[in-house]
Amino acid sequence: AQKITQTQPGMFVQEKEAVTLDCTYDTSDQSYGLFWYKQPSSGEMIFLIYQGSYDEQNATEGRYSLNFQKARKSANLVISASQLGDSAMYFCAMREDPNDYKLSFGAGTTVTVRA
Amino acid sequence: DAMVIQNPRYQVTQFGKPVTLSCSQTLNHNVMYWYQQKSSQAPKLLFHYYDKDFNNEADTPDNFQSRRPNTSFCFLDIRSPGLGDAAMYLCATSREMAGPSYEQYFGPGTRLTVT
Repeated sequence: AQKITQTQPGMFVQEKEAVTLDCTYDTSDQSYGLFWYKQPSSGEMIFLIYQGSYDEQNATEGRYSLNFQKARKSANLVISASQLGDSAMYFCAMREDPNDYKLSFGAGTTVTVRA
Repeated sequence: DAMVIQNPRYQVTQFGKPVTLSCSQTLNHNVMYWYQQKSSQAPKLLFHYYDKDFNNEADTPDNFQSRRPNTSFCFLDIRSPGLGDAAMYLCATSREMAGPSYEQYFGPGTRLTVT
């Protein structure tokens, strides 16, 4: 079964607007971590933000925030005030179990920011 | 202040001709990973090293081998590349394997073309 589901293959957003990227996950573990990575066309995977399953507050990092809804098993990424440089592929990933080294990635969402 | 470096960024090899991809890190992390990422897909973990301990994923083909001569360097060897091995190869590191918050730092990737 798919552990991470990203249902939006591609999205367009106008510069300076906010965009929400959906991510749902499937795990029976109580302790897990959720990550978002950005991958520009150059190929490098850039870590954006992390949310732990026990974190009570939603994570924020600059223009990135994570809308964590544990009961719904969703961890949506919100990018505020989009910039042209935000055009990239975005991956949601999960690490289950504190002792598991593996990251399970979703299929990714391509974001294109329009001027 | 590059942290995870991959050389070369682009590699062209011939069908069946062995090729080696290189990764180095300045983070002094214990764990190094190799991922294969085909076009518009999520990265797929091939194997990882914890220090000198090698761990192969169950579905990694025998054609793929790895070496880690020291903490800083890790190599991916493809013994007989096939057309299906054309992909982006990403190297990543993490400080430890345990704990959900240990993020992986990725290099810029090597894009392999097989002719």
